[in-house]
Amino acid sequence: DAGVIQSPRHEVTEMGQEVTLRCKPISGHNSLFWYRQTMMRGLELLIYFNNNVPIDDSGMPEDRFSAKMPNASFSTLKIQPSEPRDSAVYFCASSFVADTGELFFGEGSRLTVL
Amino acid sequence: QQQVKQSPQSLIVQKGGISIINCAYENTAFDYFPWYQQFPGKGPALLIAIRPDVSEKKEGRFTISFNKSAKQFSLHIMDSQPGDSATYFCAARLPYSGGGADGLTFGKGTHLIIQP
Repeated sequence: DAGVIQSPRHEVTEMGQEVTLRCKPISGHNSLFWYRQTMMRGLELLIYFNNNVPIDDSGMPEDRFSAKMPNASFSTLKIQPSEPRDSAVYFCASSFVADTGELFFGEGSRLTVL
Repeated sequence: QQQVKQSPQSLIVQKGGISIINCAYENTAFDYFPWYQQFPGKGPALLIAIRPDVSEKKEGRFTISFNKSAKQFSLHIMDSQPGDSATYFCAARLPYSGGGADGLTFGKGTHLIIQP
């Protein structure tokens, strides 16, 4: 079975450019999470969706960040405009079984903003 | 505030030794405490998890010890092997509020190196 699929795996862009990260969750999962990982701050929850509806976006650092989930099989995280401090690895994760709480992570998108 | 504090930041253990990583939490409403393992270039993957109604859970060489009164839990890796070298994250989650999962709050991670 395919796991959580993220694209691109690596993105290098210049400050001010728009960045779009994509995620395909595991089929049948009804919760989707976006995390950001840096050495300084570890894994931070940015936003999560239940049944395609955003539930908590309190972790989104600024208005420059936005996330959408138009259907159960696709989500995007957009940064516009990007800044060097946005450089990090962005992970998407999905889950289904509520009582185990296991999150299945993708392999991440490494973003470098020059 | 939802926080999970993890220590040490890095750990070097000889092959065959015991690796111990500790975590402390503040919010007594947390009801699920997993440990995730992450290899370079990969996403974190669930290793083992515990709920606060038990004090210990063991799966193979991996054991979680849970102290509810102290609000602490730890991961023990027995007979540590070079293949265990990875970054380990503890985490905690609030009870489901209905309608789906809430996000995990992660510790900052422990970089574990097992020397042959």
